[in-house]
Amino acid sequence: DAGVIQSPRHEVTEMGQEVTLRCKPISGHNSLFWYRQTMMRGLELLIYFNNNVPIDDSGMPEDRFSAKMPNASFSTLKIQPSEPRDSAVYFCASSSDRANEKLFFGSGTQLSVL
Amino acid sequence: QKEVEQNSGPLSVPEGAIASLNCTYSDRVSQSFFWYRQYSGKSPELIMSIYSNGDKEDGRFTAQLNKASQYVSLLIRDSQPSDSATYLCAVIGDTGGFKTIFGAGTRLFVKA
Repeated sequence: DAGVIQSPRHEVTEMGQEVTLRCKPISGHNSLFWYRQTMMRGLELLIYFNNNVPIDDSGMPEDRFSAKMPNASFSTLKIQPSEPRDSAVYFCASSSDRANEKLFFGSGTQLSVL
Repeated sequence: QKEVEQNSGPLSVPEGAIASLNCTYSDRVSQSFFWYRQYSGKSPELIMSIYSNGDKEDGRFTAQLNKASQYVSLLIRDSQPSDSATYLCAVIGDTGGFKTIFGAGTRLFVKA
């Protein structure tokens, strides 16, 4: 299995631009998570989906952030408009009920908003 | 109060020593507990899971859980320089879902 696949690996953009991060979970996993990691705040859960349905989005910082999971093999996290304080590493992770809730992480997207 | 708390370190131990990493959590009904290791510039990877009170051993790693004290720990025996990384404690509460909350992590340095 290829594991969780995220794209792009690096994104540099200017303040005010729209940013879209993409994630393909491990085939057969039915839970998908988006996390943001910074030195100051650590690894924060933004939102998670179960069977393509958003279950908890309480970690989404504000309305500029949105996430979708149109099917079991694809999810996006969008920031519009982006701000410098959004600069962080964004991780996608997936899990299956049969994996005892263990998370498998993608390689992350390093986002820099100038 | 943060939901999962860890000492950020850094924790420095000599090669061959035992490294002890600690974590406390606030949600008393939490049921599942994990330790992830994260090397610099890489993504977290699971190294241990524990679900019931007591000790669980896997090679050089031992996880310890005390639900009454809301405390989880990880012991690394015979520490190696390759163990130098950030160790993240993670907790899932009894919410019926899989909401995994992470602590800020403890940086471990193993000196050769």
